[in-house]
Amino acid sequence: ILNVEQSPQSLHVQEGDSTNFTCSFPSSNFYALHWYRWETAKSPEALFVMTLNGDEKKKGRISATLNTKEGYSYLYIKGSQPEDSATYLCAFRSNFGNEKLTFGTGTRLTIIP
Amino acid sequence: DVKVTQSSRYLVKRTGEKVFLECVQDMDHENMFWYRQDPGLGLRLIYFSYDVKMKEKGDIPEGYSVSREKKERFSLILESASTNQTSMYLCASSLGLSRAFFGQGTRLTVV
Repeated sequence: ILNVEQSPQSLHVQEGDSTNFTCSFPSSNFYALHWYRWETAKSPEALFVMTLNGDEKKKGRISATLNTKEGYSYLYIKGSQPEDSATYLCAFRSNFGNEKLTFGTGTRLTIIP
Repeated sequence: DVKVTQSSRYLVKRTGEKVFLECVQDMDHENMFWYRQDPGLGLRLIYFSYDVKMKEKGDIPEGYSVSREKKERFSLILESASTNQTSMYLCASSLGLSRAFFGQGTRLTVV
């Protein structure tokens, strides 16, 4: 079983503050790293798919970076808003074998108004 | 708009019952996945399928089987439901190695 870890497990952030959290994954046989946002009572939705070392992706106030050599990715949220409250999941895809997508345990983010 | 539909949002079944969870996607994706989500454990892969009639075990296949007779439909079967299978079940599909699209989830309670 591949080891994909996320930290912290949960986070409370004041509205307007910026925050970030981490996903660590195996540094060998890397193919892609995905980030998903999962809001309560909804389905998880993809934020980013990252494939290249040094990749940086941005979507509005949310951005992500990728370091495949050391096996980590950071997700940043700038100027947090209440609608950012969700669980953020990362998922690792290996280039060895099949199209299996292995998820981390998630970071549950709560924005305090 | 892409769509992954799971047959039930909530389900309550008795211990020992055979349970079918159905998932349908309308995007012609080859890959389909079944995950379960439990507090503190994230999404754990039960089974996935990369083509019709093709399947592979995920990380926690024990107590489950799957069926994929048509490309758009992937069924998860609990042969004899047990209380430790009470969980949220999520179906997903993807095209090749691109991002996954998820269904709305089925919250299964086994009593």
